[in-house]
Amino acid sequence: KAGVTQTPRYLIKTRGQQVTLSCSPISGHRSVSWYQQTPGQGLQFLFEYFSETQRNKGNFPGRFSGRQFSNSRSEMNVSTLELGDSALYLCASSLSVRGNTIYFGEGSWLTVV
Amino acid sequence: GESVGLHLPTLSVQEGDNSIINCAYSNSASDYFIWYKQESGKGPQFIIDIRSNMDKRQGQRVTVLLNKTVKHLSLQIAATQPGDSAVYFCAEMSGQGAQKLVFGQGTRLTINP
Repeated sequence: KAGVTQTPRYLIKTRGQQVTLSCSPISGHRSVSWYQQTPGQGLQFLFEYFSETQRNKGNFPGRFSGRQFSNSRSEMNVSTLELGDSALYLCASSLSVRGNTIYFGEGSWLTVV
Repeated sequence: GESVGLHLPTLSVQEGDNSIINCAYSNSASDYFIWYKQESGKGPQFIIDIRSNMDKRQGQRVTVLLNKTVKHLSLQIAATQPGDSAVYFCAEMSGQGAQKLVFGQGTRLTINP
């Protein structure tokens, strides 16, 4: 059974640009969540989607957005990139019920220059 | 300005010894807890979870203990191996509905040969 797949794995963007990251959850998983990991702040929750609806959102500015498609695949977008957005962006998936095990992908490494 | 990285607690143990990694969680309403292992350049890997109606749960070479009175979680790894070297995170789930994890700062475990 394939795990959580994230693309691209590595990317470099210029300040002011935007970026879109993609995530394919484990087959059958309908909940997809996103986390940002930085050396300074650790792992922080961005948002979670279930059945194409955002169920919860972390404390990030509106430049960070996401969506989920009918096949449960998800994308997150960061607009007007800032240097501080450089981070590992992690996608995680789980079955629909709260408390089900959450599995992470390998992440997308974003560097903003 | 210059960002300050998180100062990760570190634990060094000899190969073959047992290790105990501790975690204090913040929210007394949290009812689901997970331990993750993260190797360099990879996403967090699920190790073991425990719900608040349990005090102890065992897996293969790992045991998680939960003390709700003092809001403390621990991960015991038996007969540590070089492959156990990684950063270990505890995570708690709180709030209604959404699958949202709040992560601890992590502990870096180093296995000495």
